[in-house]
Amino acid sequence: AQSVTQPDIHITVSEGASLELRCNYSYGATPYLFWYVQSPGQGLQLLLKYFSGDTLVQGIKGFEAEFKRSQSSFNLRKPSVHWSDAAEYFCAVGGPSGGSYIPTFGRGTSLIVHP
Amino acid sequence: NAGVTQTPKFQVLKTGQSMTLQCAQDMNHNSMYWYRQDPGMGLRLIYYSASEGTTDKGEVPNGYNVSRLNKREFSLRLESAAPSQTSVYFCASSVLEGPNQPQHFGDGTRLSIL
Repeated sequence: AQSVTQPDIHITVSEGASLELRCNYSYGATPYLFWYVQSPGQGLQLLLKYFSGDTLVQGIKGFEAEFKRSQSSFNLRKPSVHWSDAAEYFCAVGGPSGGSYIPTFGRGTSLIVHP
Repeated sequence: NAGVTQTPKFQVLKTGQSMTLQCAQDMNHNSMYWYRQDPGMGLRLIYYSASEGTTDKGEVPNGYNVSRLNKREFSLRLESAAPSQTSVYFCASSVLEGPNQPQHFGDGTRLSIL
């Protein structure tokens, strides 16, 4: 069964600074990987996904993520954070688990942006 | 573009009361899901429906029932609400069930049980 770990519960950055949110997964084969963002009071929105091919994937809102098989990681990055990026970020991994193939979500990382 | 619509947005119940949370999607998706979100726990799958006419248990199904009314609608019922069911509930949908399927989420129902 797949699992996903987001080691950081909270991350604080200054506006304009770069950002990296960590995601580690456990899965035997090449996984399907996702990053979602949840703004306060709203549902989750897909930022980007990785299935195969180029290990650096571009998403919406200026985000990118890099798949590193050797490190079992799929970290989310942004070169310059805006105050509107303050939100909860969830990594998810897809693969067989308990008889279903529904992606499993990490516990989330809360991003705080200081002016 | 409505996407996934959940009703109600907020609800307060007393212990032992029953309630049905409604969810509808207008994207012609086959699969639908119910999650609960609790602080520090991320999203946990309660039930899902891979296609119209089928439902299956997720990680935390106890205390809940679901109905896939038609392709568009998927409801979640609490028969006898308990304080432990205080949470934010999200409905989601995807084109198909599968590990490579991105999900589309509603804005959630915030449920408090006293």
